[in-house]
Amino acid sequence: EVQLLESGGGLVQPGGSLRLSCAASGFTFITSGMSWVRQAPGKGLEWVSSITGTALGTYYADSVKGRFTISRDNSKNTLYLQMNSLRAEDTAVYYCVKDALTDYGVLTESAWGQGTLVTVSS
Amino acid sequence: EIVLTQSPGTLSLSPGERATLSCRASQSVSSTYLAWYQQKPGQPPRLLFYGTSRRATGIPDRFSGSGSGTDFTLTISRLEPEDFAVYYCHQYGLSPKTFGQGTKLEIK
Repeated sequence: EVQLLESGGGLVQPGGSLRLSCAASGFTFITSGMSWVRQAPGKGLEWVSSITGTALGTYYADSVKGRFTISRDNSKNTLYLQMNSLRAEDTAVYYCVKDALTDYGVLTESAWGQGTLVTVSS
Repeated sequence: EIVLTQSPGTLSLSPGERATLSCRASQSVSSTYLAWYQQKPGQPPRLLFYGTSRRATGIPDRFSGSGSGTDFTLTISRLEPEDFAVYYCHQYGLSPKTFGQGTKLEIK
């Protein structure tokens, strides 16, 4: 069974930093692309960032480019999101997502964690 | 960026009725890269379909996904009380990955 467990959310002041983690199990992590998707309170889903299984490819939404960094440790089956220069508009539930496509182009079911809440406020 | 536009924004129907939800893309999306999600309050999105019409594990067969190019459809043949939720379409073929704004399916 695929499991994704996010941690690291919390309250942070504008301009501050936070690092989210996602512990993954139940699938071959090293070949799976991974993403972060967020949802502001009462709003829809917004893709934030993705990383390939080998970590050779990283992708960002324009809204976070230059402020957020996605990374992964395949030896620990863990995905990260380093968030710097946080703004009020970054307030959201952040979901860790196993992508539908593997690095080999195989289509699989995606999977989502339960999410972790990040609140940016003074 | 591929913009996904879902319609209607809100759909009011009764249990037992048929629901048809639309997702239109601003440019062609390969059917391999289109998914549908269901989300209930306080829960993460639940995968319904990937690759347009591949039903995810545990999804009842009253749900069906179809479409190609720029027009995709999620159909629920006979609504059950647990089907009332928000539904999102999602393309993951091109960066930035994008989601539709959602269709809220509410009880009439």
